[in-house]
Amino acid sequence: DADVTQTPRNRITKTGKRIMLECSQTKGHDRMYWYRQDPGLGLRLIYYSFDVKDINKGEISDGYSVSRQAQAKFSLSLESAIPNQTALYFCATSVASRGTDTQYFGPGTRLTVL
Amino acid sequence: GEDVEQSLFLSVREGDSSVINCTYTDSSSTYLYWYKQEPGAGLQLLTYIFSNMDMKQDQRLTVLLNKKDKHLSLRIADTQTGDSAIYFCAESIVGTYKYIFGTGTRLKVLA
Repeated sequence: DADVTQTPRNRITKTGKRIMLECSQTKGHDRMYWYRQDPGLGLRLIYYSFDVKDINKGEISDGYSVSRQAQAKFSLSLESAIPNQTALYFCATSVASRGTDTQYFGPGTRLTVL
Repeated sequence: GEDVEQSLFLSVREGDSSVINCTYTDSSSTYLYWYKQEPGAGLQLLTYIFSNMDMKQDQRLTVLLNKKDKHLSLRIADTQTGDSAIYFCAESIVGTYKYIFGTGTRLKVLA
């Protein structure tokens, strides 16, 4: 079984709709992240959380919100989706160890906003 | 500011070696990572190297780090069609959460 899972894997929605993307992990990691990937731009950080009570904005948080329901669950919401939020979204987890903080990624959610 | 740069495309013949290059700008102590993304999949961690190392080898993969030039490379020996993917270089600063990703290099292996 995958250590980091994301649901749904694909979603098509319309402008103005509210969308929630979910991430679950069985790695026991405290830290969780949401990224979006756009062609030619690499991955950009939307939000991150170091534990259940800690939520922080990344470089492109406008238009997004998150909820850390439990250590293992971190969800990303688009309150009112717009077409330029069409992208591939990745959840990642990590745990700090010996100065590194290696991140492990889920399979991604492909979101299309019409 | 921090930046990580990669070329966008690389094409090699099956059985040849592939070399994917990356440059980074931050001179703080860092870890540097290589991830592989196959079509429709997430990012798979391939290997990483700390900035006080020059080289790391793991089976067909060799990572070389030139600290003076802030240049990182990933060499794949005996490249196979299954190696076709996008390869991302990423930098993290020791003591922080922050990862800086490159744009990814799409490797195409020709049979």
